[in-house]
Amino acid sequence: DTEVTQTPKHLVMGMTNKKSLKCEQHMGHRAMYWYKQKAKKPPELMFVYSYEKLSINESVPSRFSPECPNSSLLNLHLHALQPEDSALYLCASSPREANTEAFFGQGTRLTVV
Amino acid sequence: AQTVTQSQPEMSVQEAETVTLSCTYDTSENNYYLFWYKQPPSRQMILVIRQEAYKQQNATENRFSVNFQKAAKSFSLKISDSQLGDTAMYFCAFMNTGNQFYFGTGTSLTVIP
Repeated sequence: DTEVTQTPKHLVMGMTNKKSLKCEQHMGHRAMYWYKQKAKKPPELMFVYSYEKLSINESVPSRFSPECPNSSLLNLHLHALQPEDSALYLCASSPREANTEAFFGQGTRLTVV
Repeated sequence: AQTVTQSQPEMSVQEAETVTLSCTYDTSENNYYLFWYKQPPSRQMILVIRQEAYKQQNATENRFSVNFQKAAKSFSLKISDSQLGDTAMYFCAFMNTGNQFYFGTGTSLTVIP
């Protein structure tokens, strides 16, 4: 299994809603990432988890709250988002020790209305 | 923080011809990894080729090869015998030993029949 699975694929939420994005991998990778990508722009790094601990937070607003309940699962909890937060959210994982490439999910297309 | 720059926002190439995409990066680290990723309209981020900074030999993967110039901090991608399926956004990416993984600004490549 060499896949990173993200659910849902599409999400529309209001500014007062609370929702969560989910990412799952079963490759034994110990580093997991969240990226935000706007149209025709590169992915921007948001968070990195290493061995289930948050190792990098790129000054992301607190309305985005990551969680890594176990080595296979990564969540991104969303609350009180703004329309400008609408984007493609990509999850990725990589083997922490080997420093090889990151494997990406297909992303969740988020629209905030 | 590391920065990755791609100076060509858009490029086009005739089918079966060769094209070179440019990438420069800035880092004070000695050990790191460089990648080229492809993102077609399906939005799946796909690894094209990777290069370890400690290796002097340029990586090659079938029709794809890189020109890695460590002193100049340059990492270009050459695509030979271009095919219609190569049409996509191409991102240069940098990963350090702390698993920080950053993308360049991207180059939109169109292969013309």
